[in-house]
Amino acid sequence: DVKVTQSSRYLVKRTGEKVFLECVQDMDHENMFWYRQDPGLGLRLIYFSYDVKMKEKGDIPEGYSVSREKKERFSLILESASTNQTSMYLCAGKGAAEAFFGQGTRLTVV
Amino acid sequence: RKEVEQDPGPFNVPEGATVAFNCTYSNSASQSFFWYRQDCRKEPKLLMSVYSSGNEDGRFTAQLNRASQYISLLIRDSKLSDSATYLCVVNDSGNTGKLIFGQGTTLQVKP
Repeated sequence: DVKVTQSSRYLVKRTGEKVFLECVQDMDHENMFWYRQDPGLGLRLIYFSYDVKMKEKGDIPEGYSVSREKKERFSLILESASTNQTSMYLCAGKGAAEAFFGQGTRLTVV
Repeated sequence: RKEVEQDPGPFNVPEGATVAFNCTYSNSASQSFFWYRQDCRKEPKLLMSVYSSGNEDGRFTAQLNRASQYISLLIRDSKLSDSATYLCVVNDSGNTGKLIFGQGTTLQVKP
């Protein structure tokens, strides 16, 4: 059974904090993605990575950075959390065909 | 224009009905296509891939029309458990494997 695991289901952070969202996959997939999902806006791509130490900006990278030091782990970093980053964050791993998602992290910034 | 467009709905149908969703995409070089299903407060999960020849999985049929750049999903004999949001997904034409999601179409099947 393939698995993508996100470190937290729910997080509450204060404005200005540095936030780390961790994602681990056991599928040996090259491609990994971070999306955020907001009502009425669907899934929007923040960053993706197609290899270790490689990263590409998605559609909404501002305020975020990523790290991919190992193939199985893709971290999303909010350098200084703001209230408009309150959202559901979804990580995905993808091989040649479909993507598999983690269970999501619901982040609230207060 | 959005890269992948769907009618957000909601579609409210009675049990047993047949319902169809369409999705259009803007990049004619897109290579592969999928339908995902997302239940409330859950992550998206693959429902089916979409092939040029069309494909069927039980009550679900997916079609691809490359000339018109749209994808469709047909659900026959709707069940209450089909209530969910259906996401149209297009694989970018590049080599990165980037997936582009539509906004999703919400289906509510009622008794």
